[in-house]
Amino acid sequence: NAGVTQTPKFRILKIGQSMTLQCTQDMNHNYMYWYRQDPGMGLKLIYYSVGAGITDKGEVPNGYNVSRSTTEDFPLRLELAAPSQTSVYFCASRVTTGSGNTIYFGEGSWLTVV
Amino acid sequence: ILNVEQSPQSLHVQEGDSTNFTCSFPSSNFYALHWYRWETAKSPKALFVMTLNGDEKKKGRISATLNTKEGYSYLYIKGSQPEDSATYLCAHIPDTGNQFYFGTGTSLTVIP
Repeated sequence: NAGVTQTPKFRILKIGQSMTLQCTQDMNHNYMYWYRQDPGMGLKLIYYSVGAGITDKGEVPNGYNVSRSTTEDFPLRLELAAPSQTSVYFCASRVTTGSGNTIYFGEGSWLTVV
Repeated sequence: ILNVEQSPQSLHVQEGDSTNFTCSFPSSNFYALHWYRWETAKSPKALFVMTLNGDEKKKGRISATLNTKEGYSYLYIKGSQPEDSATYLCAHIPDTGNQFYFGTGTSLTVIP
């Protein structure tokens, strides 16, 4: 059971470049999330999706875009990368809004913008 | 944006000591509180889900309590072991149920 899979695991970008972080889950979860984690700052929500075709902004959406064309995939796009986007990115999913349903995280993607 | 605070930020204890830490969240808007354990170089894994005021949950030597009226949850570890070393995150879910707001975590190091 693969769970939540993120790629790439590590990436170095130059300022102004663009890239897409891929996320896929095989648990048929309808909710998916993208978080970033900066040292001492905890996890901050970038975007989330409650189902295919539906996305919404989280706490820190600026500089990012997402799409959700299928239940399985939730890619995160960085346009015009900036040093402030150097971070560890976590994709996550959960099955429903039920209070007992916890989040399943991917292994993380380490991104450095130079 | 809902502020979720955890304290202390980090903690070093001797093997065998018991310890506890706190998660504070807005009491006016509550749906659920989750605790996650996050080991270095791995992804966070769920420990507890708490929904009702007065909830107490236990898993082995780890337990948690919840006070929704005053907006806090405690996580307790009895007889800490080196394998308990990790960051413990709490996540507050407000009444929309869609978003999770994470605290910054408490980093626990258990010294053998």
